[in-house]
Amino acid sequence: DTGVSQNPRHKITKRGQNVTFRCDPISEHNRLYWYRQTLGQGPEFLTYFQNEAQLEKSRLLSDRFSAERPKGSFSTLEIQRTEQGDSAMYLCASSLAGAGTGRNTEAFFGQGTRLTVV
Amino acid sequence: GDSVTQMEGPVTLSEEAFLTINCTYTATGYPSLFWYVQYPGEGLQLLLKATKADDKGSNKGFEATYRKETTSFHLEKGSVQVSDSAVYFCALSPQGGGYNKLIFGAGTRLAVHP
Repeated sequence: DTGVSQNPRHKITKRGQNVTFRCDPISEHNRLYWYRQTLGQGPEFLTYFQNEAQLEKSRLLSDRFSAERPKGSFSTLEIQRTEQGDSAMYLCASSLAGAGTGRNTEAFFGQGTRLTVV
Repeated sequence: GDSVTQMEGPVTLSEEAFLTINCTYTATGYPSLFWYVQYPGEGLQLLLKATKADDKGSNKGFEATYRKETTSFHLEKGSVQVSDSAVYFCALSPQGGGYNKLIFGAGTRLAVHP
């Protein structure tokens, strides 16, 4: 397995445009998380999925943000009408949560997508 | 709400020096505690973890002990190497949350010189 993969690695967009990022988790992992990291800060939780169900969303996730995981495998994060304040590193992570089986792993992170809104 | 506070960097040390990076947390109940490391150009990697009070997490010569009474999880290493240069993040996962959500500190940059 090659780990968590995120594409693109870098994205520069003009203010007001829409952008979409993709995350491919580790294949057996049923949980997938999105975080945002701004310069000099730690990652901030945005949302997470268990399989295809989105179970929690942070207040940071405004109406312009939407995340999907349609088949419980890869996920997309879309930002509509981007603003300069959206400039950040967007991190994806995945983990295995096996209720009742004791098979729980920590979160493995991808290298992130760096978004610059100009 | 739950939060993590860690010492500001950068921390600059000579090779073989002793390292401490302080981390304190605010949380209800018994969160799980973690240290993640980010090497230049790479993604976040789990360095060590502790899931209950008085547990000691250890990995690659790094250690941290979950202290409930002082709500702390300080990272230590007896002898740092140049290859330890990275950004270190302390994090917690709220009680009962498994690995649902991680709350991170701001990170501490460590630079080790030969």
